[in-house]
Amino acid sequence: NAGVTQTPKFQVLKTGQSMTLQCAQDMNHEYMSWYRQDPGMGLRLIHYSVGAGITDQGEVPNGYNVSRSTTEDFPLRLLSAAPSQTSVYFCASSYSWRQSYEQYFGPGTRLTVT
Amino acid sequence: AQSVTQLDSQVPVFEEAPVELRCNYSSSVSVYLFWYVQYPNQGLQLLLKYLSGSTLVKGINGFEAEFNKSQTSFHLRKPSVHISDTAEYFCAVRGRSGGGADGLTFGKGTHLIIQP
Repeated sequence: NAGVTQTPKFQVLKTGQSMTLQCAQDMNHEYMSWYRQDPGMGLRLIHYSVGAGITDQGEVPNGYNVSRSTTEDFPLRLLSAAPSQTSVYFCASSYSWRQSYEQYFGPGTRLTVT
Repeated sequence: AQSVTQLDSQVPVFEEAPVELRCNYSSSVSVYLFWYVQYPNQGLQLLLKYLSGSTLVKGINGFEAEFNKSQTSFHLRKPSVHISDTAEYFCAVRGRSGGGADGLTFGKGTHLIIQP
C-alpha cells in the first residue's frame, strides 16, 4: 500500500491564482481531513470528510473548498490564492469516524503564495 | 470542545541528558491522547498514544509519556536523548477544537534542540 499520497510536493502561486492540492489514499479509509501547518501554530483543521459525498468545515475553512466524490480522493481547492495561505498542507485519513483519532498523514505540500 | 497547550515552544537539551516535553489538555469527550514527531522537512509520525489502561505509555525511539487525569497532563519523557531526536513534537487530543468527538486537536508544537 502507498498509504496517503499528496501532490505536488512544492508549489509557488501568484496572488489570485487558483489550484488544487491532490490527496489520495489506498487503505479504503472513510475519514479524511486537511490540515495546514504554520510556524508556532501547530496543525489546524481546514476541512474533513466522514465518507464519500460528505464534507464539513474545520477550524480554518475560509478560502478553501473540498469535495469527496470517491472514497480514495479528497482534493483541496484554493479558489483565489492569498499570501496568508502560504503554508504546509497535510492530508490525513482514518478507517472510520469512530476511529478518526488514528490518523495516517501524507508527506505534505509546501505552498508559497507571492 | 477540545484544546491542547504545549507549555514550551522550544527546549534545548544536551546530548545524553534527560528531557521532558510538557502537554496539558482540555476535553469534553473520552480522553485519548497522542504524541507525534516531525523530523525536518518530513510529515508527522505517531510516537505513542494513550487510549485506556496503564497511565504510563511507551512509544518508539525510547520515548514514554504519563497520563495524569487529575492534572490534565500528558508529558513526554526520554531518559537520554540523542542528536537524532532533534525534531518538532506535537501533542494531540481526540476530537475537534470546535466540538465533536472525531478527528484530532493539536498543540502548537515543541521544538526539541539537542546540543552536542
